[in-house]
Amino acid sequence: GAGVSQSPSNKVTEKGKDVELRCDPISGHTALYWYRQSLGQGLEFLIYFQGNSAPDKSGLPSDRFSAERTGGSVSTLTIQRTQQEDSAVYLCASSLGDIQNYNYGYTFGSGTRLTVV
Amino acid sequence: KNEVEQSPQNLTAQEGEFITINCSYSVGISALHWLQQHPGGGIVSLFMLSSGKKKHGRLIATINIQEKHSSLHITASHPRDSAVYICAVSSPMDSNYQLIWGAGTKLIIKP
Repeated sequence: GAGVSQSPSNKVTEKGKDVELRCDPISGHTALYWYRQSLGQGLEFLIYFQGNSAPDKSGLPSDRFSAERTGGSVSTLTIQRTQQEDSAVYLCASSLGDIQNYNYGYTFGSGTRLTVV
Repeated sequence: KNEVEQSPQNLTAQEGEFITINCSYSVGISALHWLQQHPGGGIVSLFMLSSGKKKHGRLIATINIQEKHSSLHITASHPRDSAVYICAVSSPMDSNYQLIWGAGTKLIIKP
């Protein structure tokens, strides 16, 4: 597609349930990032995929969070046993290359608004 | 002290006014980004700068590496410019992909 696609756009779930958030990056973008933004807060880095390299998961807040990227394209962020503090907008971005190669900017998806009740 | 500081935090202006949003940072950077976040959460990358000045339509971004300062200007502002504008930097001292984010500037343009 023309942009980064995320689904669902909104998700309301009960505390304790598992959720899966999907990101479909721009075709050909090797780098994929997950961020989240809690109400009134800035963007918080979660995880980064670059090509076939092992992802850097250093930003994941707990072991309830996991992510995978299949075939170097679509990524799924999974949150197990959701808690109320997981409520946030989860944003996915993709880039042609490493952000240090500063000719390449990010393209963000429109995000998934997760509400845990 | 935050490594990336934006000012003002909130800005309300009348349609047509010239808008300036400032970003100061305290770390060495390889690039600085200006992003726009609309109500509803969508984020758009506006500019990526490592030096000088860039212009896109009514938007102008400048950076002064020596002073560690960047400005985002909007000429002939319009209500559709109302959004949160975020400054972020990538630092060679940090991981390649982890941007350091400012807190954002909430801009409201009144008709």
